[in-house]
Amino acid sequence: LAKTTQPISMDSYEGQEVNITCSHNNIATNDYITWYQQFPSQGPRFIIQGYKTKVTNEVASLFIPADRKSSTLSLPRVSLSDTAVYYCLVGDYKLSFGAGTTVTVRA
Amino acid sequence: DAMVIQNPRYQVTQFGKPVTLSCSQTLNHNVMYWYQQKSSQAPKLLFHYYDKDFNNEADTPDNFQSRRPNTSFCFLDIRSPGLGDAAMYLCATSRGDNEQFFGPGTRLTVL
Repeated sequence: LAKTTQPISMDSYEGQEVNITCSHNNIATNDYITWYQQFPSQGPRFIIQGYKTKVTNEVASLFIPADRKSSTLSLPRVSLSDTAVYYCLVGDYKLSFGAGTTVTVRA
Repeated sequence: DAMVIQNPRYQVTQFGKPVTLSCSQTLNHNVMYWYQQKSSQAPKLLFHYYDKDFNNEADTPDNFQSRRPNTSFCFLDIRSPGLGDAAMYLCATSRGDNEQFFGPGTRLTVL
């Protein structure tokens, strides 16, 4: 399983865009990049997944450069309820969670 | 709504007393996972079932076992819980891709 590296924490304010970059230098050809969100005392929740270029859904965007060695999760106009831990994962159906990024949104 | 259900939500057991945690799903997914998550740590995969095939992670202690009697149900058995096994246990399912659906978890306390 490819190892991922992402910032430990990020602070933001309501209404701002938050971008979390994850590096995964040894990503395999068949690996997808997936991001999860976790609130305290809850199970992680799938946010978005991509293989290359850009993916957008109603919650976030995922930017993946051509070499696929990194990816950036973009959360537009965050609110207080977006305060959570965000995990970047690389692999197939078997995922290995790294340390995650704690995003704190302040009023 | 289709979902992943874990019972109980909170479980208290005594040191060394076997305990079983339950997970059921209405998603009809063929893969079911068990994770252990300790306080302020990331979830750690213990094992998973791909259909009926059991796959144990190399570093999962022998104290942890699992059963999957049918597609919908999966159990986590801890044969002799130690204080270090106190954690949140998360069950998840998938269709065999990266999108896993997690249950709410069972918080295990070992006295």
